[in-house]
Amino acid sequence: DAKTTQPNSMESNEEEPVHLPCNHSTISGTDYIHWYRQLPSQGPEYVIHGLTSNVNNRMASLAIAEDRKSSTLILHRATLRDAAVYYCILAKSNAGNMLTFGGGTRLMVKP
Amino acid sequence: DVKVTQSSRYLVKRTGEKVFLECVQDMDHENMFWYRQDPGLGLRLIYFSYDVKMKEKGDIPEGYSVSREKKERFSLILESASTNQTSMYLCASRSPRGGSQPQHFGDGTRLSIL
Repeated sequence: DAKTTQPNSMESNEEEPVHLPCNHSTISGTDYIHWYRQLPSQGPEYVIHGLTSNVNNRMASLAIAEDRKSSTLILHRATLRDAAVYYCILAKSNAGNMLTFGGGTRLMVKP
Repeated sequence: DVKVTQSSRYLVKRTGEKVFLECVQDMDHENMFWYRQDPGLGLRLIYFSYDVKMKEKGDIPEGYSVSREKKERFSLILESASTNQTSMYLCASRSPRGGSQPQHFGDGTRLSIL
């Protein structure tokens, strides 16, 4: 199964943009790139996903490299409530597939 | 919004007890999942179910079983609880329409086995 690689931790200042990188060099052509985040004492929360094109939603933007071997989650203005562990995951296109969570990136936001 | 509800946030049980963790979702999702989360190990899949009465083993099924008698409910069973099953347990559900569908998680059950 294709794996993802993320930095263990990152720091950001409040109200500044944050770029969270993810490498997935063995991604297959039908794998979707999903991002989740987990706040303290909560279950993971879906953030965004994409296949080939960049995606935007109310929470974040997802930039996918042209060769799809890496992607970046962009939080446009970090707030203290964005402090969480962010997981980049590859999801197979077949129905009923499971997600494999790695260690994720712990984002710390400084006031 | 999708709601995935786990029956308990915190649970304390004794070694050897039979433990039931319950999960209910309100979005008519076919797929449901049980994970456990441990420090340094991320989330690991225990079992998943792609429909009523259907189940598949995940990465770490040993010591666990599951039950899916109704579409909205997925139960995780620890047949004889042991201390190494102390963990955070997370339930999730999703629509089965392929990899484009996100999983929706409950808030977890923190289980301690004494």
